[in-house]
Amino acid sequence: GESVGLHLPTLSVQEGDNSIINCAYSNSASDYFIWYKQESGKGPQFIIDIRSNMDKRQGQRVTVLLNKTVKHLSLQIAATQPGDSAVYFCAENVPGGNNRLAFGKGNQVVVIP
Amino acid sequence: DVKVTQSSRYLVKRTGEKVFLECVQDMDHENMFWYRQDPGLGLRLIYFSYDVKMKEKGDIPEGYSVSREKKERFSLILESASTNQTSMYLCASSFGLAGYEQYFGPGTRLTVT
Repeated sequence: GESVGLHLPTLSVQEGDNSIINCAYSNSASDYFIWYKQESGKGPQFIIDIRSNMDKRQGQRVTVLLNKTVKHLSLQIAATQPGDSAVYFCAENVPGGNNRLAFGKGNQVVVIP
Repeated sequence: DVKVTQSSRYLVKRTGEKVFLECVQDMDHENMFWYRQDPGLGLRLIYFSYDVKMKEKGDIPEGYSVSREKKERFSLILESASTNQTSMYLCASSFGLAGYEQYFGPGTRLTVT
């Protein structure tokens, strides 16, 4: 079947290098942000989240940075591995939206062995 | 671990058929969501439900309906399938109130011929 990664911005990264994926969000009232990873043929999988009272949060090999001034979110992956090849989505909560999330269109990451 | 299951991974239907997509979650989540995912368009919300028998339209509800008779089950119905409904359908669930993180099922790839 056609891949969800078609037509998406693509980041090609050498195995072992660090990856940075960027996302612009739209609503300055959003107070919760989340990154998902979607491998081919699978549903999106939670990676890391951050609330608006923070500007940085770290997980295992991943760091999310939030810049509320310019409404920008980034995901950093340290020491990228072949298993990191996937489509990455950012999402923000929809204020007053009954727990809805608004998703970005995604970025394809391709890890070169 | 939270588990969200979808009744079929792949489905092929003919134009005009009535199609049922089933989703079940095992974490007692209040909220459930149906998205469709198309290349280059990201995840688009069709319908969601924040309680049994409650439903709200998402961004693209036309041609779809939903049913939530039990808390753990959320069904998406295509009353009369059309070729432009060929897509990947993803179900998700989350806790109520501040539970923004959504847990996704593996997806159903529907082809309408």
